[in-house]
Amino acid sequence: DVKVTQSSRYLVKRTGEKVFLECVQDMDHENMFWYRQDPGLGLRLIYFSYDVKMKEKGDIPEGYSVSREKKERFSLILESASTNQTSMYLCASSFWASSRYNEQFFGPGTRLTVL
Amino acid sequence: TQLLEQSPQFLSIQEGENLTVYCNSSSVFSSLQWYRQEPGEGPVLLVTVVTGGEVKKLKRLTFQFGDARKDSSLHITAAQPGDTGLYLCAGAEGPGGTSYGKLTFGQGTILTVHP
Repeated sequence: DVKVTQSSRYLVKRTGEKVFLECVQDMDHENMFWYRQDPGLGLRLIYFSYDVKMKEKGDIPEGYSVSREKKERFSLILESASTNQTSMYLCASSFWASSRYNEQFFGPGTRLTVL
Repeated sequence: TQLLEQSPQFLSIQEGENLTVYCNSSSVFSSLQWYRQEPGEGPVLLVTVVTGGEVKKLKRLTFQFGDARKDSSLHITAAQPGDTGLYLCAGAEGPGGTSYGKLTFGQGTILTVHP
């Protein structure tokens, strides 16, 4: 079974702190994604990576950056956390070869609270 | 920009009732997926439909892809409390599309099945 793991289930940070969210997948997937999920707004794509060191902005990249140094690992970075970044963050991965279907496999999520 | 309108947003029913969730768009998708998400967890893929008019069944769940591949429905027969969760539809664009490799998500339907 595909396994996508995220470094923390719950995280509490202070405004202005630099925050790292880590995601690791074990299925050799090319694509990796970071989403945030907020009530009433659904899942919104922050960043997308289709290969090592390759990244593409999603719908809401402002205030975030990403890093993909290894195929299995995709990191989301909040350079200076703000209270409006309090949210559930979900990582997902998929095969590039199946991009027509793009069946994504999700991690359990990190619930981030910024005080 | 592709949009997926999902309805209803909330559904509260008694055990044993039937229900249908709808996912509609003005855009054509190469495939459409349905995910289920339990509180505090990431979405889990239920099914992928790829052919216009396709019907897939998963026990008491029936998924249908519209003939024009612009809409989909999820029908649950004799709902049980274990069906409670957030149901998400997501569409994938074919090769050549500007969103190729990514998914467009609906807003989600929160289903509560009371014993």
